Amino acid sequence: EAGVTQSPTHLIKTRGQQATLRCSPISGHTSVYWYQQALGLGLQFLLWYDEGEERNRGNFPPRFSGRQFPNYSSELNVNALELEDSALYLCASSTRGGSNQPQHFGDGTRLSIL
Amino acid sequence: AQSVTQLGSHVSVSEGALVLLRCNYSSSVPPYLFWYVQYPNQGLQLLLKYTSAATLVKGINGFEAEFKKSETSFHLTKPSAHMSDAAEYFCAVSGSQGGSEKLVFGKGTKLTVNP
Repeated sequence: EAGVTQSPTHLIKTRGQQATLRCSPISGHTSVYWYQQALGLGLQFLLWYDEGEERNRGNFPPRFSGRQFPNYSSELNVNALELEDSALYLCASSTRGGSNQPQHFGDGTRLSIL
Repeated sequence: AQSVTQLGSHVSVSEGALVLLRCNYSSSVPPYLFWYVQYPNQGLQLLLKYTSAATLVKGINGFEAEFKKSETSFHLTKPSAHMSDAAEYFCAVSGSQGGSEKLVFGKGTKLTVNP
């Protein structure tokens, strides 16, 4: 069974540009989560999508947005990039069934802002 | 609000020694608790989960954790450390607060295993 896949592995952008990160969940999983792992800030919840709808978002500005497609894959878009957006962005997926369902993570996209 | 505290950002043990990584949680609802491991340049791998079935939970790679409600703890242990256990370990909590289903992570503990 294929795990969660994320692309690209690395992404280098400059301030003010826009970045798009992609995630394919495990087959059969309908929920997709995005987390930011920034140096010194730990793992922070960004967004949760399920069945194509945004269900919850963390304490991030509106320039962080995303969507979930009918095949349950997801995109994270970050507009007007700032230096502080440099981080590892992790996608996770799970079955829909409550908070007891474990989330399975991809290897992440490392976003570097120059 | 839910939170997790991991005591000790760095833990160093000798190969073959006991591994003990500490995690305390705060939750206003019955918690679901997870331990994840992160190897360099990789994502998070689920080690084990507590979902109220049994207080002693066995996971992969010989790890286990015990849920103690009275101490609000969920410490991770392994009887004998192996060099391949060197990694960063994260404790996380989730709970049905408004159906958010997000994971709240501790700051992580980096485990070093000395030969």
